[in-house]
Amino acid sequence: DAGVTQSPTHLIKTRGQQVTLRCSPISGHKSVSWYQQVLGQGPQFIFQYYEKEERGRGNFPDRFSARQFPNYSSELNVNALLLGDSALYLCASSVRGQETQYFGPGTRLLVL
Amino acid sequence: GQQVMQIPQYQHVQEGEDFTTYCNSSTTLSNIQWYKQRPGGHPVFLIQLVKSGEVKKQKRLTFQFGEAKKNSSLHITATQTTDVGTYFCAYRGTDKLIFGTGTRLQVFP
Repeated sequence: DAGVTQSPTHLIKTRGQQVTLRCSPISGHKSVSWYQQVLGQGPQFIFQYYEKEERGRGNFPDRFSARQFPNYSSELNVNALLLGDSALYLCASSVRGQETQYFGPGTRLLVL
Repeated sequence: GQQVMQIPQYQHVQEGEDFTTYCNSSTTLSNIQWYKQRPGGHPVFLIQLVKSGEVKKQKRLTFQFGEAKKNSSLHITATQTTDVGTYFCAYRGTDKLIFGTGTRLQVFP
């Protein structure tokens, strides 16, 4: 079975631009969570979605938004990019949200 | 907010030596999970502990949850070069994982 997939793998943007990152969960998983991992730090929680509804939100500004589609895939949008948004963005899926989370390979975003 | 600290931040060992990383919380945790992240990779789930004093083993890896459920440790016996990476502890809150600061392990052949 395929694991969690994310696209694109790498992305370079300039300050002020907008970016959309995509995630496809493991088949049968209905919960998707997004994390930001800045170099040298642990992942920080951004959002959790379950059954297409937002179930949790971390301490991130409103420039960050996300949604989940009927097929349980998800998109993370970041507007008005700042240099500090440069990070590895990880998507994790689980069956209902409370079990073991399986992480995707991540999208490496560089903001210049 | 809840913080989970890990020590040491870095550890360099000779292949064959043992390695231990410690995870500490100021409050009682309902669970603790451990993840391994290889350089350039993503976190991979290793194990979850939920009971006070629980000890679990996976081959050369031994995981322990403290009696007070405020600390945890991961011990690797006879490290190998394949053990290289960053080890994170994390606990599951209501809707998210809270990760520790991580311990980066380097193993020299």
